[in-house]
Amino acid sequence: DGGITQSPKYLFRKEGQNVTLSCEQNLNHDAMYWYRQDPGQGLRLIYYSQIVNDFQKGDIAEGYSVSREKKESFPLTVTSAQKNPTAFYLCASSTTTGYQETQYFGPGTRLLVL
Amino acid sequence: AQSVTQPDIHITVSEGASLELRCNYSYGATPYLFWYVQSPGQGLQLLLKYFSGDTLVQGIKGFEAEFKRSQSSFNLRKPSVHWSDAAEYFCAVTGTYKYIFGTGTRLKVLA
Repeated sequence: DGGITQSPKYLFRKEGQNVTLSCEQNLNHDAMYWYRQDPGQGLRLIYYSQIVNDFQKGDIAEGYSVSREKKESFPLTVTSAQKNPTAFYLCASSTTTGYQETQYFGPGTRLLVL
Repeated sequence: AQSVTQPDIHITVSEGASLELRCNYSYGATPYLFWYVQSPGQGLQLLLKYFSGDTLVQGIKGFEAEFKRSQSSFNLRKPSVHWSDAAEYFCAVTGTYKYIFGTGTRLKVLA
């Protein structure tokens, strides 16, 4: 079955530590996205990538970094500069980034700070 | 500025009752609108979408939504709610490359 996988389901971060969240898709989609979800705030865009080896900042990119070395993979690193990382992180993908494109979401990773 | 408003944070309905979740948008051009559903601790699942054409859109799980340009609304409806519909529902409008999401409506279903 085609879809988006995210791992791990839960991730714990210590103070000063960088952590990486995995996102893999086998839908052959060019575009991929990372969102952060906090209670009562909906989803906010962190980074997006339209094509391999290219990515753009979203609305809340500070304290995060990404890479897009393969079409299937778009990992997100939460750096120590992100002072409030506790949230639910969702990865999504779409065929392209055109405004008629439907985004499909992975199951999410919950990040907690120890 | 583009925005999506879901005025109801929480809604409680009895099983078998009808449901309407409200969504209002602000967007300068022709909007492309979506409704997603999220079960606790899960990702978002697409319920339905509106791009053009018939303003009444049918989706999965018996949901439908009606686009009303004059009211800038895209309300989600279901004639008879099931206990399994308890979840959080998000309305979204697309811009050039990104979605703008509402803050969600959490639905509780009473047995």
